[in-house]
This record gives sequence, C-alpha cells and structure tokens, in this order.
Amino acid sequence: KQEVTQIPAALSVPEGENLVLNCSFTDSAIYNLQWFRQDPGKGLTSLLLIQSSQREQTSGRLNASLDKSSGRSTLYIAASQPGDSATYLCAVKDNDMRFGAGTRLTVKP
Amino acid sequence: GAVVSQHPSRVICKSGTSVKIECRSLDFQATTMFWYRQFPKQSLMLMATSNEGSKATYEQGVEKDKFLINHASLTLSTLTVTSAHPEDSSFYICSANRATNEKLFFGSGTQLSVL
Repeated sequence: KQEVTQIPAALSVPEGENLVLNCSFTDSAIYNLQWFRQDPGKGLTSLLLIQSSQREQTSGRLNASLDKSSGRSTLYIAASQPGDSATYLCAVKDNDMRFGAGTRLTVKP
Repeated sequence: GAVVSQHPSRVICKSGTSVKIECRSLDFQATTMFWYRQFPKQSLMLMATSNEGSKATYEQGVEKDKFLINHASLTLSTLTVTSAHPEDSSFYICSANRATNEKLFFGSGTQLSVL
C-alpha cells in the first residue's frame, strides 16, 4: 500500500525567504504527483501536477520536482509571502489518490 | 478549468439523522470520483472510490453500510452518512478527474457537525 510522507510537519519562515517542502512515497509506480494548498476550513487548491514521465513543473514562484525512482518530490517556493501561509499537501496517484499529512507553512511579515 | 461543485458546504444535524452530500462535475464527465474525510489536524484520508454505474470501492475501516455512495451518472456522485453520530463530524471532500492521469479537481468540501 502506498504511503506518502511529508517533512517537515510545520515550518515558519520570515517573509522573503526561499523554502523547500519535501514529499516521499513508497511505491514508485505512480501516474502522477500533485501538490495542493489547503487554507483552514476550506477545500484544496491544486498548485502543480507532475506526470510520472516529467521531472519538474513550474508556476510563478512555485517549482515542483519529481524523482520517481527514489520516491521523492520537492516543492520550492521562492520569495515567500505572508499570503503563502497555508498547509501544503502532496498526493500521489496510482489506482487511488494518497495524501501526505501536509506541511503547515507560516510566513511571517 | 474544470469545476467540481460540492453541496452543502456546511451541515449541522442531530445524532441519528442521515445526511446527503452531493458532488458534481460541472463541465466534464467523471467516470471516477473520490471521497475523502479530514478530521481536525489530520491529513485527508481516502474513504472510497466511486465508479459510475458500479458499486463503490471502500477503504479498509470505512463502513459501506454507513457511508452510502451512489454514482448514478457521469457528473454526479453522492455520499450519504446514515444514522450520523458525533464521531462522524468531519470535513468531507470529493474529487474527480476526466481520466486517470489527469489533474484531480476537488469540491469545496462539506463540514459536517453532528450534535
């Protein structure tokens, strides 16, 4: 059974810093990996989707990488802003969709 | 982009009643929809995979008789929490995609509170 782990569980940084969130998964036979953002009490917002054949995807200040063979993905956030404060979830898609526990990010002004 | 609509967004009910949550794909056909729940400070947990026209596949530990899933059309799946109890209070989210390797779109979630 696929297991998804996210490290760290929580992260607090000052505004303007670049940061990296980590996601690891146990079974490399995936279709894709997706990063989401979740604001308190709300649904999920999809940030980036990386297909299994891809190595990275970029959107604005966000860059996500995928190393399927080692079962790892990173989400890089450049020049962090207070509005980036949220919980970030990674999820891998095989026959199901499995989520990590998330990283709670706080960006301090 | 694709939109998944989930309704209601919030429901408060008495213990013992049943609650139905709807999940609709508004501009695409979804052969598969997924239902998740999230308890406070915990990760999203997959409850079941809903396939149009067939019985849902439930995750281990999820009671199929308690959480009834109906996927009657390519654009609608419903989750009914039967005889709800306070421990069923949770945030329920559905998701859908057009095809297996495409982006998954999520509903806005339903906060269920059982008194």
